[in-house]
Amino acid sequence: ETGVTQTPRHLVMGMTNKKSLKCEQHLGHNAMYWYKQSAKKPLELMFVYNFKEQTENNSVPSRFSPECPNSSHLFLHVHTLQPEDSALYLCASSQVTPSNYGYTFGSGTRLTVV
Amino acid sequence: AQTVTQSQPEMSVQEAETVTLSCTYDTSESDYYLFWYKQPPSRQMILVIRQEAYKQQNATENRFSVNFQKAAKSFSLKISDSQLGDAAMYFCAYRSGGTGTASKLTFGTGTRLQVTL
Repeated sequence: ETGVTQTPRHLVMGMTNKKSLKCEQHLGHNAMYWYKQSAKKPLELMFVYNFKEQTENNSVPSRFSPECPNSSHLFLHVHTLQPEDSALYLCASSQVTPSNYGYTFGSGTRLTVV
Repeated sequence: AQTVTQSQPEMSVQEAETVTLSCTYDTSESDYYLFWYKQPPSRQMILVIRQEAYKQQNATENRFSVNFQKAAKSFSLKISDSQLGDAAMYFCAYRSGGTGTASKLTFGTGTRLQVTL
């Protein structure tokens, strides 16, 4: 058990499907994050949730819709995806403070848009 | 905005040897933290080592140590006695200090480390 669990591990979607990526943390953290990891690019921060409230949306297209029902769970609802959305989507959690601790990451969902 | 640069896309080291991965960053902040993460084929990002900017002493964790040069904004990772299990992508990351709200981690593009026999 890593502390941050992401499901599914792999997801293949058509461009017209709707699906949800799930993240769950068992660490008592109060902040959760979605990152997109594409080949040869830095990890891109998508969303930040701080005590269940969204505090950052990094200009993410509306076809990505996050949901944080409580401090332990985070979802990423996706629909009408484009081929460039194929990537590894990583969830992470942390304490808001102290900042000297990094994040704890899940193993990601590999999303392939066909 | 803060940026993190890793100029070595790939590195190779022989088992039992030492390798150094480079990282530079740009910031105008005085309160921040730096991290090295490892991402093996299992995909999970694992924290290797962290450094508080206010500390002059370089952080060490077993075979892993950093060379933190604050004035030069440089944060390199040294891996001693390299092992096959060290083969992975290594990411340098920056996090602002401060309190109250979650501060984001900014990553470099990563360095792929190969370990050979």
